[in-house]
Amino acid sequence: TQLLEQSPQFLSIQEGENLTVYCNSSSVFSSLQWYRQEPGEGPVLLVTVVTGGEVKKLKRLTFQFGDARKDSSLHITAAQPGDTGLYLCAGVPGTALIFGKGTTLSVSS
Amino acid sequence: NAGVTQTPKFQVLKTGQSMTLQCAQDMNHEYMSWYRQDPGMGLRLIHYSVGAGITDQGEVPNGYNVSRSTTEDFPLRLLSAAPSQTSVYFCASSYATGGYTGELFFGEGSRLTVL
Repeated sequence: TQLLEQSPQFLSIQEGENLTVYCNSSSVFSSLQWYRQEPGEGPVLLVTVVTGGEVKKLKRLTFQFGDARKDSSLHITAAQPGDTGLYLCAGVPGTALIFGKGTTLSVSS
Repeated sequence: NAGVTQTPKFQVLKTGQSMTLQCAQDMNHEYMSWYRQDPGMGLRLIHYSVGAGITDQGEVPNGYNVSRSTTEDFPLRLLSAAPSQTSVYFCASSYATGGYTGELFFGEGSRLTVL
């Protein structure tokens, strides 16, 4: 059973469009992290959300942590080809960090 | 800055062979972990360690062994390689305070093919 469910699994959009990626769980997490991975490289942290209801912005990326700390979303405004990559959410149900299956985003110009 | 260093980057094994993937970090992180990444499966946790002498199993530990004799090193051993272990393996480390695991720093990955 996957503790963290991400949707959609794949997303192919045109430059300038907006999109939202979801990370859902039935478990409560003390925090959730979002990573971005490019081909041939390891994932790199984008943001950590800690407080229920928290909203964090990173340029055109907006991250939200659900009030109950069971879900999170990533919204990208005016997507650019440079946003292409695999987006992964991760949480700590105990001690170790576990990941969702990821959302593969492709932005074409 | 070296960060997390994994070796080898590529390896081809025959079924039944054994090998060790090496991982070293120079950030004095207490927490180290190994993940495997397969298409459409995200990152799955194999084993992790919260400090020297302490290891624990993750989601998919079967067929793998680990040890943590020093803070810096966390090798992953494949005991008898199987084609199902063909994957990209990532080592990652983090500071850990009071049970909270912070940002994971990843190595570049080791691509393993088992024939």
